[in-house]
Amino acid sequence: NAGVTQTPKFRVLKTGQSMTLLCAQDMNHEYMYWYRQDPGMGLRLIHYSVGEGTTAKGEVPDGYNVSRLKKQNFLLGLESAAPSQTSVYFCASSGLDNEQFFGPGTRLTVL
Amino acid sequence: AQSVTQLDSQVPVFEEAPVELRCNYSSSVSVYLFWYVQYPNQGLQLLLKYLSGSTLVKGINGFEAEFNKSQTSFHLRKPSVHISDTAEYFCAVTTSGGSYIPTFGRGTSLIVHP
Repeated sequence: NAGVTQTPKFRVLKTGQSMTLLCAQDMNHEYMYWYRQDPGMGLRLIHYSVGEGTTAKGEVPDGYNVSRLKKQNFLLGLESAAPSQTSVYFCASSGLDNEQFFGPGTRLTVL
Repeated sequence: AQSVTQLDSQVPVFEEAPVELRCNYSSSVSVYLFWYVQYPNQGLQLLLKYLSGSTLVKGINGFEAEFNKSQTSFHLRKPSVHISDTAEYFCAVTTSGGSYIPTFGRGTSLIVHP
């Protein structure tokens, strides 16, 4: 039982490059989330999903896209990376009580 | 809409001293409340949660929190801290009854000195 896993763990991009972050969970959770964490800002919700095939915007969705083609996977895409997207990205999943199970994070630097 | 305020961005304490990390929330409906801990370079993990029932909730590592509906607070306490408790602590709230989206506070950095 791996819980929530994220790949990659680290990535450095140049401005304008694209990338996809992969999140996988093995707890059969319906809800999945992508957050970014910046110093002094806490966790901010980027996008979330309440089930396979559904996604919705969170607090800071601009510059990101997501897909949930399979229940266990939630992908976060950056089409054209900007330095403002330098951050630590966390994926989480939850069941009905909204207890969040977090992945280990992806540290992204955009030069 | 719901919101969470963690009143202290940083709390320094000496080892074996008691500590309280404060959390206040606002919501017009019933809530679920959570405390998470984040050790350096790791993801967040659950310390404890309040869903219903007893207002005093016990969690892992000797932490406990009390839900106070009239004060709209959910303060985290530990009677005697250890160096290993040094971490970032986040309070979170979600509305009960079908909401999917938690709101997190900005975090409190607990620094335990020897």
